[in-house]
Amino acid sequence: GQQLNQSPQSMFIQEGEDVSMNCTSSSIFNTWLWYKQDPGEGPVLLIALYKAGELTSNGRLTAQFGITRKDSFLNISASIPSDVGIYFCAGPRAGSYQLTFGKGTKLSVIP
Amino acid sequence: DSGVTQTPKHLITATGQRVTLRCSPRSGDLSVYWYQQSLDQGLQFLIQYYNGEERAKGNILERFSAQQFPDLHSELNLSSLELGDSALYFCASSPSGGEGETQYFGPGTRLLVL
Repeated sequence: GQQLNQSPQSMFIQEGEDVSMNCTSSSIFNTWLWYKQDPGEGPVLLIALYKAGELTSNGRLTAQFGITRKDSFLNISASIPSDVGIYFCAGPRAGSYQLTFGKGTKLSVIP
Repeated sequence: DSGVTQTPKHLITATGQRVTLRCSPRSGDLSVYWYQQSLDQGLQFLIQYYNGEERAKGNILERFSAQQFPDLHSELNLSSLELGDSALYFCASSPSGGEGETQYFGPGTRLLVL
C-alpha cells in the first residue's frame, strides 16, 4: 500500500532557528496535509496543499506540494518553544477517502 | 478547539472486557472517521461513516465495530480487549467525507488495557 516516509524522525533545535522537514511517497498524492500534535491532544491541521508546485504559508509555517506530486516539505521559521510537538504529513490514498499518515517528525526546541 | 468532542478522555480496563468510545462531530459535519494511534504504528485509519452509513474501512479488527447514529454522533465498540489494544483512539470529522477533504480531530480517548 501507499506509505508516507517522513524525515527526520526527530530533531532538536535552538529557539530562533529555522526548521525543515519533508515527506515522500512512492505514489502520487493529489492532496498533502500537514498536522501538528501536541502531547495528549489530537492532531491539528496546519496547512493543506491541493496543487502540484503550490507554496502556502500560515504565519511562520510554509509548506510546498512537490512538482512530482510525490513529496512535500514543511518549513518553520524562527522557532519558538510552543513549536514543540509531532508534525505529521498526510494524504488521501488514491481513489479513497482514507488518509494515510506519515510516522511523524518529533520537534524539540531548546530555549 | 476543533469542535469535535470525544468521551471518555481516559479509560482503564482489563483484558477480555468491552468498551465503548463516543464521538460528536463538528456542527454540520456529516462524516466521521476513527483512528488508532499507538507508539509503534503511528496513526492508523480504522473506519469512516457518512450520514449514518459505513463508507470506508481500514485496518479495523473484527473485534471492533462502529456505528453512526441519526444525530451523527458515532460510537466505536472494542470487545475482547487485549493488551495490544492499548492506544489513543481519535475521532475526526469532515463536512461531506470527500476525497482529500480536511479532517478535524478530537482530543482522543486514551485506552489502557491491563
